[in-house]
Amino acid sequence: ETGVTQSPTHLIKTRGQQVTLRCSSQSGHNTVSWYQQALGQGPQFIFQYYREEENGRGNFPPRFSGLQFPNYSSELNVNALELDDSALYLCASSLLPSGADTQYFGPGTRLTVL
Amino acid sequence: TQLLEQSPQFLSIQEGENLTVYCNSSSVFSSLQWYRQEPGEGPVLLVTVVTGGEVKKLKRLTFQFGDARKDSSLHITAAQPGDTGLYLCAGVGDYKLSFGAGTTVTVRA
Repeated sequence: ETGVTQSPTHLIKTRGQQVTLRCSSQSGHNTVSWYQQALGQGPQFIFQYYREEENGRGNFPPRFSGLQFPNYSSELNVNALELDDSALYLCASSLLPSGADTQYFGPGTRLTVL
Repeated sequence: TQLLEQSPQFLSIQEGENLTVYCNSSSVFSSLQWYRQEPGEGPVLLVTVVTGGEVKKLKRLTFQFGDARKDSSLHITAAQPGDTGLYLCAGVGDYKLSFGAGTTVTVRA
């Protein structure tokens, strides 16, 4: 059984640029959630995708957008990058869209915005 | 803004000592989870507590859920260097997890 994988591992961008982060969910899981973890903080929920549809969204501006593909892998896109977007971006997959269902986290993508 | 407050923020102890980490919320959650996160990795689920007053044990780790389901604690007995990591509590919502800021635990050999 393949775990959750994310790419790239690290990324450096400058203010105003756009970035795409990728996540492959665990085999058999059709739900992917994205979280932002700033330095010294716990993860903050960005949004969740279930069967290719956005199922819920946290308090993040519209320049944070996502996609889920038929194979249930997912992308997180961030436009007009700001310095505060520097963080570890985590994706988590689960079998069901319920928060109570166990979420399996990937290792994250470390984004640095200069 | 973190809905869950964890204390202490940092904890450094000697191998063999005991430690307790606290998680408090002003909101009631249907259940609460504890995770451990190591550098360069995502959080890994340790336990889910559901019932008020519930106590769960996982080897040397003891988890307690408050009667009102608004607070929880994690107690580690005879800590080992392998217990070093960031411990996160998370309130379980309809579709998302709400995390605390975490407690960084360092166990010195």
